Amino acid sequence: DIVMTQTPLSSPVTLGQPASISCRSSQSLAHSDGNTYLSWLQQRPGQPPRLLIYKISNRFSGVPDRFSGSGAGTDFTLKISRVEAEDVGVYYCMQTTQFPLTFGQGTKLEIK
Amino acid sequence: EVQLVESGGGLVQPGGSLRLSCAASGFTFSDHYMGWVRQAPGKGLEWVGHSRNKANSYTTEYAASVKGRFTISRDESNNSLYLQMNSLKTEDTAVYYCGRMPHYWGQGTLVTVSS
Repeated sequence: DIVMTQTPLSSPVTLGQPASISCRSSQSLAHSDGNTYLSWLQQRPGQPPRLLIYKISNRFSGVPDRFSGSGAGTDFTLKISRVEAEDVGVYYCMQTTQFPLTFGQGTKLEIK
Repeated sequence: EVQLVESGGGLVQPGGSLRLSCAASGFTFSDHYMGWVRQAPGKGLEWVGHSRNKANSYTTEYAASVKGRFTISRDESNNSLYLQMNSLKTEDTAVYYCGRMPHYWGQGTLVTVSS
């Protein structure tokens, strides 16, 4: 199974400041079809997960452009350029390259 | 608009069974892989299992923690995904989400396994 490891697990951020979350996979997420199926999900309190970024760096419909994703192979990063109050929640990386699908432990973003 | 609506959750005793349903709309159901993810209270996300699309004969995959106890099926005629859960354990207590992952997720349905 591919193990996904996120850092940090908690991130206190000042409003308007940037935030960054890292995700490392235990093996390459590159698929034989040429894509890398690494996604970032946001889960606000009491809500279901919501897709932010798919295939490393593609913003999903309706996601603000302050969210961006980067990386390759086994190392990936989610960046928020300027944190807003509505960004509070838990962020997960997720790999859908192979079964079993696996998630990072989650990073709790909170406002200082 | 893609919509996924789960139902069927509730309270069940250890060793019991429950069937969850997920009604899908807004896309061609047979074209897509569909799956279930769960979240125990206060915990992270855990993949439960998946059904491949029609082109891949709707074959299924399961997490080791549920293999042999849970079964995923589909009804193409009413665009529904199911999760049959047997031999339930207290550790199966969670909110269960249906998803066309990673893009679309339902609101979830709570399953509580307790005596």
